[in-house]
Amino acid sequence: AQSVTQPDIHITVSEGASLELRCNYSYGATPYLFWYVQSPGQGLQLLLKYFSGDTLVQGIKGFEAEFKRSQSSFNLRKPSVHWSDAAEYFCAVESPNTGNQFYFGTGTSLTVIP
Amino acid sequence: EPEVTQTPSHQVTQMGQEVILRCVPISNHLYFYWYRQILGQKVEFLVSFYNNEISEKSEIFDDQFSVERPDGSNFTLKIRSTKLEDSAMYFCASRPQGARSPLHFGNGTRLTVT
Repeated sequence: AQSVTQPDIHITVSEGASLELRCNYSYGATPYLFWYVQSPGQGLQLLLKYFSGDTLVQGIKGFEAEFKRSQSSFNLRKPSVHWSDAAEYFCAVESPNTGNQFYFGTGTSLTVIP
Repeated sequence: EPEVTQTPSHQVTQMGQEVILRCVPISNHLYFYWYRQILGQKVEFLVSFYNNEISEKSEIFDDQFSVERPDGSNFTLKIRSTKLEDSAMYFCASRPQGARSPLHFGNGTRLTVT
């Protein structure tokens, strides 16, 4: 069965520090991959997506993610975190072989300290 | 930029009552979805809707749930007889095509069943 794992429930980083949020998926073929961010009381906003091609994708707000097929991973990175990046981050997988359903990870809560 | 809009933002209802959650998807989108997020848990798929019919539904989407697109713009989720465990944030989402396109989410309706 398809699954998405975000191993880190909560991460705390200092403002200006680099960030990496982990995402691993379990799927038989290369799925389509997404990262969403959810600020308190808000809906989910798309940060970036990967369908094919270049394995390093750029997104909004200075985020990027790298698809690594060998590790079944799609980790989200940002070189320098801003206080406004504090939010919940969700990795999602679209499964082309099962009706193009989206499967979400359990999320990683990011706290940014001054 | 076009948005998915959901109303109301917060709905409080008594157990056993019927509720209707409303969504206006982005106008040129063809695929519509409902997801829910119980507090502190992952975002869970409920149902997808295309061409005026349900295309897929999860185990959560039992006979108490129904969806409708009563006109060209609204997309509703009805819970016939609410239970305490239906308390959650409900997200509507839409996308222009069925594959290789991200979901666009509304800000959600927080449903509280007392």
